[in-house]
Amino acid sequence: AQSVSQHNHHVILSEAASLELGCNYSYGGTVNLFWYVQYPGQHLQLLLKYFSGDPLVKGIKGFEAEFIKSKFSFNLRKPSVQWSDTAEYFCAVNPLSRGYNKLIFGAGTRLAVHP
Amino acid sequence: GAVVSQHPSRVICKSGTSVKIECRSLDFQATTMFWYRQFPKQSLMLMATSNEGSKATYEQGVEKDKFLINHASLTLSTLTVTSAHPEDSSFYICSASRLAQDTQYFGPGTRLTVL
Repeated sequence: AQSVSQHNHHVILSEAASLELGCNYSYGGTVNLFWYVQYPGQHLQLLLKYFSGDPLVKGIKGFEAEFIKSKFSFNLRKPSVQWSDTAEYFCAVNPLSRGYNKLIFGAGTRLAVHP
Repeated sequence: GAVVSQHPSRVICKSGTSVKIECRSLDFQATTMFWYRQFPKQSLMLMATSNEGSKATYEQGVEKDKFLINHASLTLSTLTVTSAHPEDSSFYICSASRLAQDTQYFGPGTRLTVL
């Protein structure tokens, strides 16, 4: 089945550790890619997005993601996490080439950062 | 910019009654709005896509007669859960985008509890 996979459901890190959250999708052709974050008690916020161009995308709060077309991946990275990064992170794909106009979400990764 | 609100944030109703949830784009015009459902500790599942002035497109398995969607203006979409039952209890989230395949901006969600 067509899907978006986030490999880690729970990640626990200490402050200043580096973060990489995996995201793979199974849609071929042109896709728009997104990472959203949901802080405790808050709504989904856009971290970053990729539509075209440079496959290394910079987002807010020091996050970045790299689109690797050959691997169908869009992994999220941050070199040094902070306690305030504790949140749930969702990868989402809009599979344009299939004529869709909708986001397919991954299951989410819950990140806990300890001081 | 790109703020989306939902009202109410929480609603409790009796089984058999209908509940209306509003989604508004506060600082932009949204040609397309989306309605999602999020189960506890799970990802967002798209229920339907609505374009201003036209009928909503429902995802497979979503009952259109039970979940009535109206997108009467470029800043307002409503979801009405008709004859609600306890299994309809969930977190309902809307999103809005300026153009059909543009970035989606999410509302804070509405928690529906059906007794």
